[in-house]
Amino acid sequence: SQKIEQNSEALNIQEGKTATLTCNYTNYSPAYLQWYRQDPGRGPVFLLLIRENEKEKRKERLKVTFDTTLKQSLFHITASQPADSATYLCALVVNDMRFGAGTRLTVKP
Amino acid sequence: DAGVIQSPRHEVTEMGQEVTLRCKPISGHNSLFWYRQTMMRGLELLIYFNNNVPIDDSGMPEDRFSAKMPNASFSTLKIQPSEPRDSAVYFCASNPLGSYNSPLHFGNGTRLTVT
Repeated sequence: SQKIEQNSEALNIQEGKTATLTCNYTNYSPAYLQWYRQDPGRGPVFLLLIRENEKEKRKERLKVTFDTTLKQSLFHITASQPADSATYLCALVVNDMRFGAGTRLTVKP
Repeated sequence: DAGVIQSPRHEVTEMGQEVTLRCKPISGHNSLFWYRQTMMRGLELLIYFNNNVPIDDSGMPEDRFSAKMPNASFSTLKIQPSEPRDSAVYFCASNPLGSYNSPLHFGNGTRLTVT
């Protein structure tokens, strides 16, 4: 069956460290993968999109990798700040857009 | 840019009642999506419109759910009759290019509670 798994429900790190979130998928061949941020009581907000032929994408302190052999995407936030605390969702684009359950990141000062 | 606007923000109703959720997409966006989010199932796509025409409604749970888009600036999601298991946050999203290859812009959702 098709699955999208984000490595953990919650991740706690210290301010200034790099946060690494994982998105694994099975039985999909996505053409694109997107990452979103969701704050409590709000809708998801788009962060980055990466195509299947791209290995890595960067935007400011954010970096996304996409390994279609491992069927995995990694999402990194460098020099993390308490304001980065939120839930992060990966989304696979095949014929439609399917979301993972999300990882709740907490950055402690 | 006001973003995607959903109303109401919260809805509490009794089982068996009709519920109507409303969405105004971003002006100029020609695709509109309805999602449902629960702790158990995460974000699930219910239905997708392109140029006001329903393209994919395979995610609509059952006949109690219906969605319309009478014009480019307005969509409704109706549940009749509502059941407690319909309790969730319902999100509307739009994008400008009519495909999943471009980012979705989400509203802030309607939290539905059916007692």
